[in-house]
Amino acid sequence: GAVVSQHPSWVICKSGTSVKIECRSLDFQATTMFWYRQFPKQSLMLMATSNEGSKATYEQGVEKDKFLINHASLTLSTLTVTSAHPEDSSFYICSARDAASGGAGTQYFGPGTRLTVL
Amino acid sequence: GENVEQHPSTLSVQEGDSAVIKCTYSDSASNYFPWYKQELGKRPQLIIDIRSNVGEKKDQRIAVTLNKTAKHFSLHITETQPEDSAVYFCAASKGTGGFKTIFGAGTRLFVKA
Repeated sequence: GAVVSQHPSWVICKSGTSVKIECRSLDFQATTMFWYRQFPKQSLMLMATSNEGSKATYEQGVEKDKFLINHASLTLSTLTVTSAHPEDSSFYICSARDAASGGAGTQYFGPGTRLTVL
Repeated sequence: GENVEQHPSTLSVQEGDSAVIKCTYSDSASNYFPWYKQELGKRPQLIIDIRSNVGEKKDQRIAVTLNKTAKHFSLHITETQPEDSAVYFCAASKGTGGFKTIFGAGTRLFVKA
């Protein structure tokens, strides 16, 4: 079945540093990937839609200069949290839509990255 | 904007009983409705989905119903088991607008043995 990997699975960093998270579709091509943020005991909050070869589409209230998204290939999207602060600590999950599926298509989720900013 | 409401937020049932989770969506253009199960610390896993041209879909103990007119859909789990305990999310998506998916707030299901 469709597999999405995410790296790293967890990261601890100092305030002010930047952190890059990778999301890969391992056995299918993903023209569209999504980045979510999830706080404890809460739902998935869509941050942005990552489109291969074009700029990401950010949801209202998400700072595009803080959360840099790059979707350079059909199997890789990266999220960079720039100048991270403690309030950025969260669980970040990506998902990928199988380009071969029609209509809305099924999304497959990565295992998530737990970011802790000290 | 688009919105998906999910109820209840918490559901506790006895093993063997049925569990029902209900969702409503606001965007009438939505045409794809997946349900995800998320266990603690793990990724959401797709358990069943339904498209707008179908009113009901069943997969063993899990079924989903869709009422397009009322813009609501429901998840039904029969003969619940302790391993069904998890958080369940409904979602709504459409084939345009970037295919983005809007998730409900989630339902925490407890199945008591």
